[in-house]
Amino acid sequence: AQSVAQPEDQVNVAEGNPLTVKCTYSVSGNPYLFWYVQYPNRGLQFLLKYITGDNLVKGSYGFEAEFNKSQTSFHLKKPSALVSDSALYFCAVRDRGAGSYQLTFGKGTKLSVIP
Amino acid sequence: DGGITQSPKYLFRKEGQNVTLSCEQNLNHDAMYWYRQDPGQGLRLIYYSQIVNDFQKGDIAEGYSVSREKKESFPLTVTSAQKNPTAFYLCASTRDPTSSKTYGYTFGSGTRLTVV
Repeated sequence: AQSVAQPEDQVNVAEGNPLTVKCTYSVSGNPYLFWYVQYPNRGLQFLLKYITGDNLVKGSYGFEAEFNKSQTSFHLKKPSALVSDSALYFCAVRDRGAGSYQLTFGKGTKLSVIP
Repeated sequence: DGGITQSPKYLFRKEGQNVTLSCEQNLNHDAMYWYRQDPGQGLRLIYYSQIVNDFQKGDIAEGYSVSREKKESFPLTVTSAQKNPTAFYLCASTRDPTSSKTYGYTFGSGTRLTVV
């Protein structure tokens, strides 16, 4: 079975500081990994994905994520946070080796960027 | 522009009433999904469909029903059997979910359902 955990319900960071939103996953094979962002009363928007290749993935709005196979993690990062980055962030995984055709989402992490 | 349209944006249901949430996509995507979102619980899968005229139950299908008569449309009915339907409902779609390219999901803007 595939699963994903976002250990922090909320992350607070000062504007201009670097931010990290954590994600760990569990799969039987190799993972496909995604990050999505959700603004209030809106659907989820795609930020970035890891399929294969470079462990550092760059995405929309200056976000990036690092795939770490040994730690089964895929943390989302940004060098300098903006107030407009305040939103709910979801990590998702699909197990490539298990014949799974669905994404499993984490419970989400609320990011608050303080001016 | 291509995308997913969910309607209505807000919906109010009386006790014992069935209501239907609309989801339409013009992306020519094969698979469509319905999720329920409650505060602190993330996204929970209700139903999904990988091809027309076929659909499968997700993790919380009880009290819900769906149909997939057309590729573009995947309506969700919340029946009176769903005892706690107040939530935010999200529809999503993707191209060939079996592909190794793993396209990811495109989401609609959601429908907020409230029991009155």
